[in-house]
Amino acid sequence: AQSVTQLDSHVSVSEGTPVLLRCNYSSSYSPSLFWYVQHPNKGLQLLLKYTSAATLVKGINGFEAEFKKSETSFHLTKPSAHMSDAAEYFCVVSDVRAAGNKLTFGGGTRVLVKP
Amino acid sequence: GAVVSQHPSRVICKSGTSVKIECRSLDFQATTMFWYRQFPKQSLMLMATSNEGSKATYEQGVEKDKFLINHASLTLSTLTVTSAHPEDSSFYICSAGRTGGTQYFGPGTRLLVL
Repeated sequence: AQSVTQLDSHVSVSEGTPVLLRCNYSSSYSPSLFWYVQHPNKGLQLLLKYTSAATLVKGINGFEAEFKKSETSFHLTKPSAHMSDAAEYFCVVSDVRAAGNKLTFGGGTRVLVKP
Repeated sequence: GAVVSQHPSRVICKSGTSVKIECRSLDFQATTMFWYRQFPKQSLMLMATSNEGSKATYEQGVEKDKFLINHASLTLSTLTVTSAHPEDSSFYICSAGRTGGTQYFGPGTRLLVL
């Protein structure tokens, strides 16, 4: 079985300050992990993915995430938040051996960026 | 990244009518597509896996006779909400998978049943 827990349902940051979105996963095998962003009334855009290569993954728009197997975590960070980063963020796990091609979503973290 | 489109983007219908939503992968062939439902301020819930040329696989609790899925070609899957009721109002999102496991999502369809 696979599951994902996003530890914060809401995160509020000031523009120009760092952003940290926390994600812990559970998987029986070796998962692939993703972060997606969703702006209001829009579909999901892939920010980055981890697929057993480098543990530090760089994505689009200055985001990066680090896979830590010992902590079963895949936290998303950005050094300096921009107003356009205000959106909903989803941490997602996929383990082909556990669940085929199915994705399992975290509950989401809503990011608010204050000017 | 890959492009997945959905049509329509918004639909309003009367209770009891049926609504068809199309999902297309525009620049790659997708043997598998997925349909999700998202209620306001909630995460995505997988409804079903659409397999090209075969029957869809539905998640537990999803009525297959109410949510009809057809995946007739490698670039098109359709979801038909039959006899829609107000409780079916939601945001429906499809995705298509590429080799390597990454899924690309459509922009979503907002359904409002009056």
